[in-house]
Amino acid sequence: EIVLTQSPGTLSSSPGERATLSCRASQSVSSNYLAWYQQKPGQAPRLLMSGASSRATGIPDRFSGSGSGTDFSLTISRLEPEDFAVYYCQQFSSSPTFGQGTKVEIK
Amino acid sequence: QLRESGPGLVKPSDTLSLTCTVSGGSVSDTSFYWGWVRQPPGKGLEWIGSIYSGGGTYYNPSLKSRVTISLDTSNNQFSLELRSVTAADTAVYYCARRLNPDHWGQGTLVTVSS
Repeated sequence: EIVLTQSPGTLSSSPGERATLSCRASQSVSSNYLAWYQQKPGQAPRLLMSGASSRATGIPDRFSGSGSGTDFSLTISRLEPEDFAVYYCQQFSSSPTFGQGTKVEIK
Repeated sequence: QLRESGPGLVKPSDTLSLTCTVSGGSVSDTSFYWGWVRQPPGKGLEWIGSIYSGGGTYYNPSLKSRVTISLDTSNNQFSLELRSVTAADTAVYYCARRLNPDHWGQGTLVTVSS
């Protein structure tokens, strides 16, 4: 099983700031099989990135993803009020697994 | 769209059964996997398994011995059975399209309790 470790666990930021979230895999993952999700309380997750750097339909361009091998990141260039949520990375190159999540909270 | 249905309360050692009804698409579409993800209260996401109409089911190794996912093409649905449940199986269960889901159901809370 590929274990994904996300950091930080919680990121305290202010609207307008840049946020960078990290996802590290226990073994190499093809970037085509690394995804990112956003989840707000009481809602289903929403796909943000399909493939490490490809935004899903309707996702604003302030969200960007990068990385390869075992190290991946999601960057939000300027936090909007609606971006404060929990973010998960996922690999699906083998039996799918999720990271434990990073909560982005208002500072 | 996807919508989960099934009992919200299951007794320990019983079988949890949920159905996902798909609208606006077909579970017979060989382009997609259809599957289940769960989330215990206050915790993260766990992939349970997926089925592909072209043939094949894929399960989380940690749950494989207790899980069956099946397709009902006549009703455009797919189903989850999780056997011998315990309190640790209490979670919101989501049905989803694709292994990296782009469409999710709204989720249904299933509580395992006597």
